[in-house]
Amino acid sequence: GESVGLHLPTLSVQEGDNSIINCAYSNSASDYFIWYKQESGKGPQFIIDIRSNMDKRQGQRVTVLLNKTVKHLSLQIAATQPGDSAVYFCAENMNPGYSTLTFGKGTMLLVSP
Amino acid sequence: EPEVTQTPSHQVTQMGQEVILRCVPISNHLYFYWYRQILGQKVEFLVSFYNNEISEKSEIFDDQFSVERPDGSNFTLKIRSTKLEDSAMYFCASSVSTENEKLFFGSGTQLSVL
Repeated sequence: GESVGLHLPTLSVQEGDNSIINCAYSNSASDYFIWYKQESGKGPQFIIDIRSNMDKRQGQRVTVLLNKTVKHLSLQIAATQPGDSAVYFCAENMNPGYSTLTFGKGTMLLVSP
Repeated sequence: EPEVTQTPSHQVTQMGQEVILRCVPISNHLYFYWYRQILGQKVEFLVSFYNNEISEKSEIFDDQFSVERPDGSNFTLKIRSTKLEDSAMYFCASSVSTENEKLFFGSGTQLSVL
């Protein structure tokens, strides 16, 4: 079974660096993926999404890459800022066509000034 | 910017008591959801709701849980007889449609069962 616990994978970067956060998703049939940012005590905040007919999508300072062959999703944040410090979750729709999302475990991003 | 609002932000209750968590989804959204997050763990799906009916629910959403849209703006989650393991942050979310649309989340209600 899946292990659970209080320890999240953590990525520590310096302000101005580029950050890459990775996620392995579960279902090869999932056709919609989202990255959310969660700051302490707040709800998940939408960052960027991508549909399975795309390999890459860019937003403001963020890029999502999708590799369906190995069921891998990544979030790239350019010129990381201290305000980017948060836990980042990838999510997939396990039921294609529906918005019910299944979240991954999360990665904590710590940005030092 | 429109947002999902949840009340209360914190709820403390005794084991066995009933609690109702309240949410006001974004006004033009049609699909509503409850998720929960136990401290330090990932966000887990509980239930989705559309057109006054449950669309999907997870194994967590057992007979102790129920949802309701009592009027045109509120969406509630009721836990009939709370257990210690129900302690978690409960998030409400809404979306415009269910066809691969992003969910907008509220700030959550922290439920503590003593």
